Amino acid sequence: NAGVTQTPKFQVLKTGQSMTLQCAQDMNHNSMYWYRQDPGMGLRLIYYSASEGTTDKGEVPNGYNVSRLNKREFSLRLESAAPSQTSVYFCASRTGYSGAEAFFGQGTRLTVV
Amino acid sequence: DAKTTQPNSMESNEEEPVHLPCNHSTISGTDYIHWYRQLPSQGPEYVIHGLTSNVNNRMASLAIAEDRKSSTLILHRATLRDAAVYYCILRDFNSGYALNFGKGTSLLVTP
Repeated sequence: NAGVTQTPKFQVLKTGQSMTLQCAQDMNHNSMYWYRQDPGMGLRLIYYSASEGTTDKGEVPNGYNVSRLNKREFSLRLESAAPSQTSVYFCASRTGYSGAEAFFGQGTRLTVV
Repeated sequence: DAKTTQPNSMESNEEEPVHLPCNHSTISGTDYIHWYRQLPSQGPEYVIHGLTSNVNNRMASLAIAEDRKSSTLILHRATLRDAAVYYCILRDFNSGYALNFGKGTSLLVTP
């Protein structure tokens, strides 16, 4: 049971470099989400996709772009990485039903130097 | 979404029950109460959720006050594996938005 898979698990970038974080789910979920978690903090929503073909900004979208490639995949792109984007990034998915359980990936630990 | 208030940290002895409180005095009638936990170096995982009635599952029980302004997550016998940050989150029944995490309660379980 794969669930939500994130790649890569670790990444070090230099300031100004770009990269894409990949997320895929195999549960046929409609909704997918990207969060970031800074040390000692709770998770903050970056972007979400309520259904295939739609994306919306969350609490902290600046410096990021997303693509809902298909129902399974939701990618997060950093166009020009900054040290302030050093964080752990989590992808999540759920069916879309408001009471439904959300499933999270194991996270991508990103360091920008 | 309405806000929740949780203690920053709690401590429990292994094999004893743990009651994790959450206050949500501005809860609306269509808000579900969700609990998630995050083990060290892992993504959050679902624990339980409810709307009005108390709920039980294999992981925990959720006790919801009659006026719904507070709730309590109950771990019946804490194990060392239950040491985690526990998040109490409200989600509107009609909302398509994601879960909004606060700082949660850090639970320490001692042998």
